[in-house]
Order: sequence, then structure tokens, then C-alpha cells
Amino acid sequence: QLQLQESGPGLVKPSETLSLTCTVSGGSINSGSSYYWAWIRQPPGKGLEWIGSIYYSGSTYYNPSLMSRVTISVDTSKNQFSLKLNSVTAADTAFYYCARLEFRSIFDYWGQGTLVTVSS
Amino acid sequence: SYVLPQPPSVSVAPGQTAWITCGGSNIGSKSVHWYQRKPGQAPVVVIYYDDERPSGIPERFSGSNSGNTATLTISRVEAGDEADYYCQVWDITSDFPVFGGGTKVTVL
Repeated sequence: QLQLQESGPGLVKPSETLSLTCTVSGGSINSGSSYYWAWIRQPPGKGLEWIGSIYYSGSTYYNPSLMSRVTISVDTSKNQFSLKLNSVTAADTAFYYCARLEFRSIFDYWGQGTLVTVSS
Repeated sequence: SYVLPQPPSVSVAPGQTAWITCGGSNIGSKSVHWYQRKPGQAPVVVIYYDDERPSGIPERFSGSNSGNTATLTISRVEAGDEADYYCQVWDITSDFPVFGGGTKVTVL
């Protein structure tokens, strides 16, 4: 059974960079085929928002609304992928989830999510 | 971008049926997926490709999609079904995934 687990600081100061890592177990991030690896977030009281996705080869695509501040990378040797969001503000406070994405389709496996608060 | 309105909340008595709608222009032409999210837990797929049910999901969960509305139906609701439910489609125009705003199901 594929499992994903987010990790990283729960508190980030305004204007700094939010950094999270997702560790994949029970399967290889190199599974290829049509699977991408994704980050999704949910601010308190709001809906889910897709942040971006990455293929095991490193090919990325991002939500246009966040593209200027987001970088997603992959480390196949560690079976991990990571999120960096720079110049954060209070509006970036949210639960952040990692997930596996069947391209142009469904997020079939998710992590439990981690709360990141932006505050001084 | 493509918008998927969902009712913010639905309340239902145990044993009754809950209907959760997901609106969208011509959503019937898209594949709709439904997720259940309970506090502190990873979201789980309960319905995919409109009406397919993953293994391990009770038959009480079913889905339909036609015209401008997709619907998740939970029959014989149980206390354990209390959760937030989200619909999701792939917006071909923008070429990225879009989620509905979520519906909180409360079991009375």
C-alpha cells in the first residue's frame, strides 16, 4: 500500500520560504507511467487548492496563481519530492498535502497533511 | 477558471440518505472524482470517474454525473460518514485540476 508523509516546519515567518518534503513508501516514485506527484493546500475555512506537480524525471507544472513563488523538486534516490514557496504571507497559512496524481485525472493517494502557519 | 460549487453543509439523520451536489458548466462531459476528508486523516477517494467505487469503500457510496450537476449519494448514513467531501475534475481549458469548495456532512 502506497503511503505518503509530509514533513517540515510548522511555523514560518512572513517573507521567508516555506519548505516541505513528502516521503513516499510502499512504492517507487520512479513508477513512471502516467503518475505525477503533487502538492495541494487548504487554508483554514477554504477549499482545496492544487499547488503544482512533478514527474519523476523532474518535469513540473504549477498553478498559474502561485507559479512565480513555487518550486517543486524530486529526489528519486530518497523517494521524496519537495515544495518550496517563497515570500510567504499570512494568506499562505494552510494545511499542506502531498499526493500522487494520475495525470489529468485523480489524486489516488494522499498524505495526512501538515499545518503550516505563517506568523512572526 | 472552472468553478465547482458545492453546498457548504448537509445534515442527515442516521439511516437516511445524503445527497452532495457538485455543480459546473457541462460537468457531465468531465470525469468527476469525490474525496472524503476526516480531521487528522489523509483524504480518501470514495468515488472516481463519476460512479466507480474503490475497493474497501462501502456500497452505500454511489455517484452520478449528468448535465451541469454531479452527485455523491450516501445511503443508510452512519455516524462514521461524518466528514468533509470534495469533488474534483480536470479542467481541460486551463489544463489543471480543480476542486469544489467542499461539503461538510453532519450526522444528526
